[in-house]
Parts: sequence; structure tokens; C-alpha cells
Amino acid sequence: KNEVEQSPQNLTAQEGEFITINCSYSVGISALHWLQQHPGGGIVSLFMLSSGKKKHGRLIATINIQEKHSSLHITASHPRDSAVYICAVTSFRSGGGADGLTFGKGTHLIIQP
Amino acid sequence: DGGITQSPKYLFRKEGQNVTLSCEQNLNHDAMYWYRQDPGQGLRLIYYSQIVNDFQKGDIAEGYSVSREKKESFPLTVTSAQKNPTAFYLCASSSGPKYEQYFGPGTRLTVT
Repeated sequence: KNEVEQSPQNLTAQEGEFITINCSYSVGISALHWLQQHPGGGIVSLFMLSSGKKKHGRLIATINIQEKHSSLHITASHPRDSAVYICAVTSFRSGGGADGLTFGKGTHLIIQP
Repeated sequence: DGGITQSPKYLFRKEGQNVTLSCEQNLNHDAMYWYRQDPGQGLRLIYYSQIVNDFQKGDIAEGYSVSREKKESFPLTVTSAQKNPTAFYLCASSSGPKYEQYFGPGTRLTVT
């Protein structure tokens, strides 16, 4: 079982719809990250959070530490939001330090006009 | 402009040859990371470095080597011992493990 699980794997929606992508993890973490990867391969960090909720424009990320679950929401979705959204966690590796990221497999989102 | 550069964007090599991927950052970040991405799989950590002259193996370090002689640079060598080297390689940096990571544009390596 992967340490970080995302759902759905693929999501196609119409422009304007409210989008939710879910992430569950099974390890102890110091932070959870939401990343966006466009077709060219470049990755942009959207959010890093360790508790509560963060909002940036039409994007909202929430995390529930007790339930080991996070969600990424997109309001008023637009075709330019089409991308792969990746959940990743900073977990505690051997030696006690928190280093590197452990990634989910990503959610491929397509927003149709 | 501050950022991370990786070169080249596409790299082709023959099987059995070592190849070095470049990663440079001018963000004054202490920590740097190398990840590998394969189709249908999440990114996986190859090596990371929290400070100059120090680096640690990640989850899939076999067949790879790194150096961190300068704060700005963290080159990755894919050796002939790496059984499946064809992949998309991403470099990242951050101020430390508790901070956001910034990613380079990636290098797509094809070995035939």
C-alpha cells in the first residue's frame, strides 16, 4: 500500500464546476504539499500546510491531521486549471530528520469548456 | 531572476554510459533534492542534501551518485548500474525540510 493515496486518479469536469481532489496518508508527517504539474513537466508548489486551511485565489486546501486526510478544492474551474495535481508529504525518515517528499501518484484533471 | 535550472531538457545516451544531470539554484537554499518520475508512478526521492558537502540516500539511490561541493549546485550522475535509467528527473531546493520546495523544469533522459 502506498504511503500517500490520491483520489480520483482521473477527473473530467465542465468549466465552472467545483472540483475536489482527496489525499490520504499513512505516515507521520510534518507537512503536506499540493503541487501542480503541467504537460511540459514543470511542477509548481500550490500549498504547504500542517494544519487547518489555506486559500489562494480559487484554490483551497484543507488538512485533518487526526484523520490523515487532505483535500484540494478548485472553485469556478477553468480550462487553464487542467493539469496533474499531486499530493506529497514531508515525512520522518530514519535518523529522525524530516527530509525529502513522498508523493501520491497524482490526479489528472481536465476541465472542458 | 531567482530559480532552479536544469540542463539539458532532453538527454539521450547509449546503454552502459554514465551521464550527469545538472541542477543549479540561485535561491540561496541549503537543501536540494533529486526526484525521478516514471509514467503511472508518483515521484520518488533519489538523493537529498541538507548542506554543502553532505548528502543522504533517498528511496531509490541504487545506480545513482551525487555531489554537493557548492551550495548552488547538486549534480546527479546516472551510472551504468542503474537498470532502468529512462525517466523524467526533477531537481528541487528549499530552505530546509520544514519549508516549501521549489522545482526545476526537469530533464527527460532516454537511454537506448
